[in-house]
Amino acid sequence: SNSVKQTGQITISEGASVTMNCTYTSTGYPTLFWYVEYPSKPLQLLQRETMENSKNFGGGNIKDKNSPIVKYSVQVSDSAVYYCLLGDVKMEGCGSQGNLIFGKGTKLSVKP
Amino acid sequence: NAGVTQTPKFRVLKTGQSMTLLCAQDMNHEYMYWYRQDPGMGLRLIHYSVGEGTTAKGEVPDGYNVSRLKKQNFLLGLESAAPSQTSVYFCASSSAGATQYFGPGTRLLVL
Repeated sequence: SNSVKQTGQITISEGASVTMNCTYTSTGYPTLFWYVEYPSKPLQLLQRETMENSKNFGGGNIKDKNSPIVKYSVQVSDSAVYYCLLGDVKMEGCGSQGNLIFGKGTKLSVKP
Repeated sequence: NAGVTQTPKFRVLKTGQSMTLLCAQDMNHEYMYWYRQDPGMGLRLIHYSVGEGTTAKGEVPDGYNVSRLKKQNFLLGLESAAPSQTSVYFCASSSAGATQYFGPGTRLLVL
């Protein structure tokens, strides 16, 4: 079955670079989203990535693939929760199957 | 619970016509989303809403409008349909930061 895993918490100093991992397993043809949630603000889309095998309708099986997001020279204002979302949908006949799964999020804390 | 429902399931429009897609959820979710899915492009976020009376643009908002007058409903409107809007449209809902539940999809063909 589909799954998404993220590192729970990262604390780093201002000016450093950070890689936040998103490891997923997919049985269809997936799209991967990264969202950021700043305190008391709605989710914002950071980037969207369509997997290579999305380009054909055969789908496939992807297991434990990592699709990280990298931030360079972080600032205190980058402190937020970063969510990885796996969208995996297949149209079959007149219906559809699939789901959209959030990872649990990586809480990034940047210290001055 | 019905979960997330979408109407209609399938529609054919002529270029320039307008229509509204309806998404309804009975899970008391704050967040609702409209996506489109096209071959080779994957899912793309059109608009989303974080609560009743609020809407926000996603990745591909042009040519669409949305409204969230009631918490359980999220409407997607096409004022003047274009062939480029031929797609499959998915609605989803979630609590903040939680798994999204999506509807069965609406196939739209614009001639």
